[in-house]
Amino acid sequence: DQQVKQNSPSLSVQEGRISILNCDYTNSMFDYFLWYKKYPAEGPTFLISISSIKDKNEDGRFTVFLNKSAKHLSLHIVPSQPGDSAVYFCAATATGANSKLTFGKGITLSVRP
Amino acid sequence: DVKVTQSSRYLVKRTGEKVFLECVQDMDHENMFWYRQDPGLGLRLIYFSYDVKMKEKGDIPEGYSVSREKKERFSLILESASTNQTSMYLCASSLVALGAANEQFFGPGTRLTVL
Repeated sequence: DQQVKQNSPSLSVQEGRISILNCDYTNSMFDYFLWYKKYPAEGPTFLISISSIKDKNEDGRFTVFLNKSAKHLSLHIVPSQPGDSAVYFCAATATGANSKLTFGKGITLSVRP
Repeated sequence: DVKVTQSSRYLVKRTGEKVFLECVQDMDHENMFWYRQDPGLGLRLIYFSYDVKMKEKGDIPEGYSVSREKKERFSLILESASTNQTSMYLCASSLVALGAANEQFFGPGTRLTVL
């Protein structure tokens, strides 16, 4: 049973435009969500997170939106840059879960120059 | 900066061999994790440890074991490697979360090929 779903395996956008990466979850106990970015042959690196008490968190070009009623979150990258081309993983956890994360399958973002 | 290191970037082993993957973190984190990443399957948790000598099974522990004798070191062991264990193995660590989650910091990964 996949508790964190990233239904689109890939996304291609033009440099300078907005990238919107979506993520859905099914476990209502999840109360903290994270996005990780991964380049080939490297480990994932933390990008941005959001607590369930918020509906938006912004860090530079990256904004994460959370819609708890829909169990949906999205990562917006504006403007997109070629260096943003990577695999993006959505992850979720519940308070008291020993920081154990449940990951989605990832979305491959390609930003075209 | 947190540093998580893994003993090898690339490893080639034969079917039936015993394989040790080592992970070391330098930030005194209590929690350590082992994942494998496969195309189309994302990151899947194999085992995690929240203290020395403590371990818990993740989602796919079959065929693997772990050892945590020291706080900074977490080892993944493939008792008898099989071709379906060919994968990218990722180690991560994090602080203990009290009332909130803490991010996990990942190592660079070990690309294991079992022939």
